[in-house]
Amino acid sequence: QQPVQSPQAVILREGEDAVINCSSSKALYSVHWYRQKHGEAPVFLMILLKGGEQKGHEKISASFNEKKQQSSLYLTASQLSYSGTYFCGTPPGSGGSNYKLTFGKGTLLTVNP
Amino acid sequence: NAGVTQTPKFQVLKTGQSMTLQCAQDMNHNSMYWYRQDPGMGLRLIYYSASEGTTDKGEVPNGYNVSRLNKREFSLRLESAAPSQTSVYFCASSQRTGPSSYNSPLHFGNGTRLTVT
Repeated sequence: QQPVQSPQAVILREGEDAVINCSSSKALYSVHWYRQKHGEAPVFLMILLKGGEQKGHEKISASFNEKKQQSSLYLTASQLSYSGTYFCGTPPGSGGSNYKLTFGKGTLLTVNP
Repeated sequence: NAGVTQTPKFQVLKTGQSMTLQCAQDMNHNSMYWYRQDPGMGLRLIYYSASEGTTDKGEVPNGYNVSRLNKREFSLRLESAAPSQTSVYFCASSQRTGPSSYNSPLHFGNGTRLTVT
């Protein structure tokens, strides 16, 4: 079942912060985050595993709340290079295999000067 | 390293024609995947191969076939193309297989933009 991302789109000025949410109606074992720039391939950012741990990549961090079945991606002091579409991906239920990783519809982030 | 290489980059087909999209990875990954991406729909899994010699259906397999030729190569075939198959197709690979595969990231190729008229 496809995870739900919010917001669908967000526009920022350079230096502003943003939060992108990813929620699921089923139990989550992990959440993947990817960024895709226009006309390019999705690029892996990070994986969040059970346990609520927070991970970071540049000034991008994320949290995973397995009880709430959701993950949030935090972009701090955004840069122009952060522009793109962000996707979360979740594996199917019990067993945790990511063979059938299901992606949300994406959040389009635009950072303006 | 080349990573995941897809060919061709662009293709235009007429309805009913067939073609094969090629994908190869040089990272010695076990698992390989084919996704399609349509506007507003995100990435949808067509087929995947957990390991060499195995393939299985994803969310949207109808109209497609796949072949895991060896550990490096995973091809996607459209036997009789339809306009609904106009899309951008991404091949991906990941290292791990089995129960711990949920913590293995996907590495994507640059995509094939297919138009069926």
